[in-house]
Amino acid sequence: DTVMTQSPDSLAVSLGERATFNCKSSQSVLYSSNNKNYLAWYQQKPGQPPKLLIYWASTRESGVPDRFSGGGSGTDFTLTISSLQAEDVAVYYCQQYYTTPTFGQGTKVEIK
Amino acid sequence: QVQLVQSGAEVKKPGASVKLSCKASGYTFTNYAMHWVRQAPGQRLEWMGWINAGNGKTKYSQKFQGRVTITRDTSASTAYLELSSLRSEDTSVYYCARGERELVYYYMDVWGEGTTVTVSS
Repeated sequence: DTVMTQSPDSLAVSLGERATFNCKSSQSVLYSSNNKNYLAWYQQKPGQPPKLLIYWASTRESGVPDRFSGGGSGTDFTLTISSLQAEDVAVYYCQQYYTTPTFGQGTKVEIK
Repeated sequence: QVQLVQSGAEVKKPGASVKLSCKASGYTFTNYAMHWVRQAPGQRLEWMGWINAGNGKTKYSQKFQGRVTITRDTSASTAYLELSSLRSEDTSVYYCARGERELVYYYMDVWGEGTTVTVSS
């Protein structure tokens, strides 16, 4: 299985500041025939199911605020929250779907 | 609105089986697939398997092969997960999540609220 490793495990950011965290896959998730990265990001708040934020590494799901952006290619990816809001406190997971779906261990985002 | 409503919490003894349900509404059930993903306390999400809700084709994680069965009832717009030979390590929240009908390897755009399964003697 493709192992997904996220960093850091937790992050404390002041309201209005930028939050950036990383996801690394043990093998490339870039499919050369369509030049798409098979990588998604989810947000999970306490007691709730995951919510899809980003797919194809950088495409925002409908209704997701534009302060969320995804980047990267191949094996290294980032999720950025440009201006952290109180409602963004959550655990964020990356998932690859290039092969049997696997998820990272999550990055917990808190307010500093 | 698109919604996945899952069955209620279960408590099972080791060695037993459990069957969970996930009822879809707000979209054409047979136009999509359903994944099952679980999350043990403090652990990462773990993919268990997938069913094409149109033709019933399934694919399972090798980890659960032989212990898991995913089915669907198109007349009820409901997908099911059955897990047998339960052990304490199966104590988790089990989620259903909508996927792309023809592709197992895809992202999951709508998730159910989850069903807590506790395995304890």
